Parts: sequence; C-alpha cells; structure tokens
Amino acid sequence: EAGVTQSPTHLIKTRGQQATLRCSPISGHTSVYWYQQALGLGLQFLLWYDEGEERNRGNFPPRFSGRQFPNYSSELNVNALELEDSALYLCASSFEFTENTEAFFGQGTRLTVV
Amino acid sequence: GNSVTQMEGPVTLSEEAFLTINCTYTATGYPSLFWYVQYPGEGLQLLLKATKADDKGSNKGFEATYRKETTSFHLEKGSVQVSDSAVYFCALSLNYNNDMRFGAGTRLTVKP
Repeated sequence: EAGVTQSPTHLIKTRGQQATLRCSPISGHTSVYWYQQALGLGLQFLLWYDEGEERNRGNFPPRFSGRQFPNYSSELNVNALELEDSALYLCASSFEFTENTEAFFGQGTRLTVV
Repeated sequence: GNSVTQMEGPVTLSEEAFLTINCTYTATGYPSLFWYVQYPGEGLQLLLKATKADDKGSNKGFEATYRKETTSFHLEKGSVQVSDSAVYFCALSLNYNNDMRFGAGTRLTVKP
C-alpha cells in the first residue's frame, strides 16, 4: 500500500511568486495535516483538513492557504513568497475518529525561495 | 490550548549511554501521546505511542510511560547507539479529534 506522497520533492521559487505543494494521503485516510519545518525551528503546525473542510490552522499569515479535494488529496498554496518561507513542508494523513489516531508522514517538499 | 513542550536540544551522548528526553503536555480532554523520529534526510516515523494513562509505549529499545498526574511522556533508552542519532518529536492528539500537535523536536547525536 502506498504511503503519503508529496510533490514536488524540491521547489525553487523567486520572492513574491506563488508556490503550490501537493499531498496524496494514504488510501482511506480523511484527515490531512500540513507542517512547516524550517531549519532549526522544529515542526510548526500549519493547517488541518478533514472531509474537505479546514478544521484548524496554526499561527501563519493568510497567504498560507490550502484546500482538500473530494478524493482527500490536498494542496498547500503559499502566496507572495518571502525568503523566510524556505523550509521543508511536511504533509501527514490519518484516519478520522479512531481511538488510536496516528499520523503518517510523507517525505516532504523542500521549498527554497531565492 | 493543546500543546507539547519538550526539552531543548541538542543532546549529545556517547554510545551505550542512558537517554532521557523530557516531554510534557497541556490538553483539554484525554490525549493520545506519541513519539516520532526523523532520521537525517527522511520524513517522520512513528516510534511509539500510548493512548491512556499509565500505558507504556515501547519500540526499538525506547520506552515512554503516559503519566497523567505529571502530564508527561518522557522518552527513555537504556543504551543508545550511533544509529539512534536523529530528531525526536513528542506529539499529542485528542481522541476522536484529529488535532495533532507536535513539540519543537530534540536533536540527538550519539558519538562512538
């Protein structure tokens, strides 16, 4: 069974441009989470989608947005890119409403803003 | 709000030393607790978990006990190896609510 897949693996953008990152969850998982892992800053919660709805978002500006599609895949969009947006963006997926909810992570998309 | 606090790193140990990485949490309700590990150049992998108070999660020689009275889930290993060098993340999720929260991560380096 395929795990969580993210694309692209690497992305290089210029400051001010927009970036779109994609995530396909494990089959049957309805929740998708996005995290930013900037160098030396650990894992910062960005967004949580479940059943097509945004359930929660972290302390990030509105230029970070996303959506979840009917097949539960998800996109993360970052507008007006800034140099400090350079980071590894991790997507995770999980089942909904189970006692042992655990997240399975993709390999990440390395975004570099120049 | 719900949050996880873990000891700041980096932690550097010699091979076969004892490891403790502290983790405490704040949560409304009864969370499940997890430790994830990120090896160099890889994504996060689940290391162990515990879903209720006094449960002990264990895997690959690592252990952590869910302590409700101290709201803690400290990670321990009796004898670390060079291959354990990685970043370790403590995390929580509230049962029946998939709001996953992670600690900042603790980088462990084990020297031969």
